Amino acid sequence: EVQLVESGGGLVKPGGSLRLSCAASGFTFVGYNINWVRQTPGKGLEWVSYISSSSSYIYYADSVKGRFTVSRDNAKNSVYVQMNSLRAEDTAVYYCAREGPSGMTAFDYWGQGTLVTVSS
Amino acid sequence: QSALTQPASVSGSPGQSITISCTGSSSDVGSYKFVSWYQQHPGKAPKLMIYEGSERPSGVSNRFSGSKSGNTASLTISGLQAEDEGDYYCCSYAGDSTFYVFGTGTKVTVL
Repeated sequence: EVQLVESGGGLVKPGGSLRLSCAASGFTFVGYNINWVRQTPGKGLEWVSYISSSSSYIYYADSVKGRFTVSRDNAKNSVYVQMNSLRAEDTAVYYCAREGPSGMTAFDYWGQGTLVTVSS
Repeated sequence: QSALTQPASVSGSPGQSITISCTGSSSDVGSYKFVSWYQQHPGKAPKLMIYEGSERPSGVSNRFSGSKSGNTASLTISGLQAEDEGDYYCCSYAGDSTFYVFGTGTKVTVL
């Protein structure tokens, strides 16, 4: 069974940092691209970042560029996002989502999400 | 990059068909076949319902169908059922600069 499990969320002050993790299981992790998507409480989805299967390609939304850094460790079947200079508007549930096989270019599996709250 | 535009809400009676629109631009929906649709129930993660505009993943009911014309994609739910209630989001690939853009979301209510 494919599973994605996020962790690392919590309460952080504006300007602070947080590192989220996404642990994958049930599939050949090294063959899949992974994305981070966030959802502001009560609002819509926003794509945050993409990392290719071999880490060769990494993309960010303009809203987080220069503040967030995504990485992965294929030996540990995990993806990470280091979030620095956090702002109140970064408060959201953060999901990791797998891009489907064979260039599907859609998110076929999602984690349950981890809540990040940026507040003083 | 602005979010794709969806109606805030759509409703229908059981058994009816409803259609949710998703309007983008020539930079996203109009340029790529990679439009996907997601269903989200309260407190749950989104679930993929349609990819590449009209393809259904294994396990998704054939009551869900997708299409695209120009800069607008559409999701149709036929034979509406109570379990179809929830929020629906479209998403389009938008090229290497923006990558992905989501729609504003539509709340579907079964009357």
